[in-house]
Amino acid sequence: ELKVEQNPLFLSMQEGKNYTIYCNYSTTSDRLYWYRQDPGKSLESLFVLLSNGAVKQEGRLMASLDTKARLSTLHITAAVHDLSATYFCAVIYAGNNRKLIWGLGTSLAVNP
Amino acid sequence: NAGVTQTPKFQVLKTGQSMTLQCAQDMNHEYMSWYRQDPGMGLRLIHYSVGAGITDQGEVPNGYNVSRSTTEDFPLRLLSAAPSQTSVYFCASRTGGGNEKLFFGSGTQLSVL
Repeated sequence: ELKVEQNPLFLSMQEGKNYTIYCNYSTTSDRLYWYRQDPGKSLESLFVLLSNGAVKQEGRLMASLDTKARLSTLHITAAVHDLSATYFCAVIYAGNNRKLIWGLGTSLAVNP
Repeated sequence: NAGVTQTPKFQVLKTGQSMTLQCAQDMNHEYMSWYRQDPGMGLRLIHYSVGAGITDQGEVPNGYNVSRSTTEDFPLRLLSAAPSQTSVYFCASRTGGGNEKLFFGSGTQLSVL
């Protein structure tokens, strides 16, 4: 069965600093998603990564996928307060009707 | 463009009461699902549907019923609410085929006393 682990689960960052969130998954998958959730709000899709070596960037966020290592990273460049949110990765489980299996989320706080 | 609409946004129930959480989408999505979100537990799939008339159980289906009579609507019913069902509930939908990007509703905060 597919398991998805994110780390760290909590991250306090200073504005202007760089950091990386990691998402490991346990079995083969062909699709990985990153979502953002602001406090008390719904989830918003950030990136869809479809193949080994895929890299997607939007603003200060860059996501990459290494299917051989079963690892995705979400890199934050020069953090700003607006990036404070919880970030989830989710991976397609190839069996069982292609369900999404979710990580527990990384709660990111960017402090001045 | 309404997307996925959930109602109500907040609800307080007493143990044993029943209620229905409503979910509607206007994107003609085949797939619809219900998740619950609890602190430290991430998102857990309750039930899902791959099309009108077809539903199936997710990870945590006990205590919940669903039906899908139309493409647009996917209500979630709590037949006899329990305090363990206190949670935030999200409805989500996507197209069929290989595109699994989910669109989420705004959520329902449910408290069962």
